[in-house]
Amino acid sequence: QKEVEQNSGPLSVPEGAIASLNCTYSDRGSQSFFWYRQYSGKSPELIMFIYSNGDKEDGRFTAQLNKASQYVSLLIRDSQPSDSATYLCAVNTGRRALTFGSGTRLQVQP
Amino acid sequence: NAGVTQTPKFQVLKTGQSMTLQCAQDMNHNSMYWYRQDPGMGLRLIYYSASEGTTDKGEVPNGYNVSRLNKREFSLRLESAAPSQTSVYFCASEAGGGTDTQYFGPGTRLTVL
Repeated sequence: QKEVEQNSGPLSVPEGAIASLNCTYSDRGSQSFFWYRQYSGKSPELIMFIYSNGDKEDGRFTAQLNKASQYVSLLIRDSQPSDSATYLCAVNTGRRALTFGSGTRLQVQP
Repeated sequence: NAGVTQTPKFQVLKTGQSMTLQCAQDMNHNSMYWYRQDPGMGLRLIYYSASEGTTDKGEVPNGYNVSRLNKREFSLRLESAAPSQTSVYFCASEAGGGTDTQYFGPGTRLTVL
């Protein structure tokens, strides 16, 4: 079992819809959770991080964390074509560095 | 304020050649990282440096060496390149020890023939 799992997609949503991206992790001791966005040919950039159970909102983005279920998600409201990218989930397990999932490719259709 | 810079942006090597990928950050961060990214594999940690003067192996260290030259610079060396090392290499830096946000450089696209 991979330490951080994401559906590779592509996840296709129409413009204006809510995109829901999911991530599960295996280490119950994981402490903090990050969502990065990566456009094709570019480097990852941080969108959000979350440390505590529940929801954290930042503009059109909401991160949701459920440590009991070992599940973290990212909701993108009012999706725009410019949101089309690969979204990487990253987890800090308390060891040396972040562990990244393989990413979910999101396509927002105009 | 350039953030994290990497050189070169692109490189083509022949099998057996050596090269060094350079990374520098101007954010006064303690920790620096080297990742490789292959299609469908996500980011895999090669080596990291928690602070100046220390380096440690990550998930896929074989075939690589690193040097933390000073607080700003962290280089990755391929002593004898192999086609399996064809990948995109990202350097990242972080203020704290694995708990804070990582900032990535623009990447180096390496092809080994």
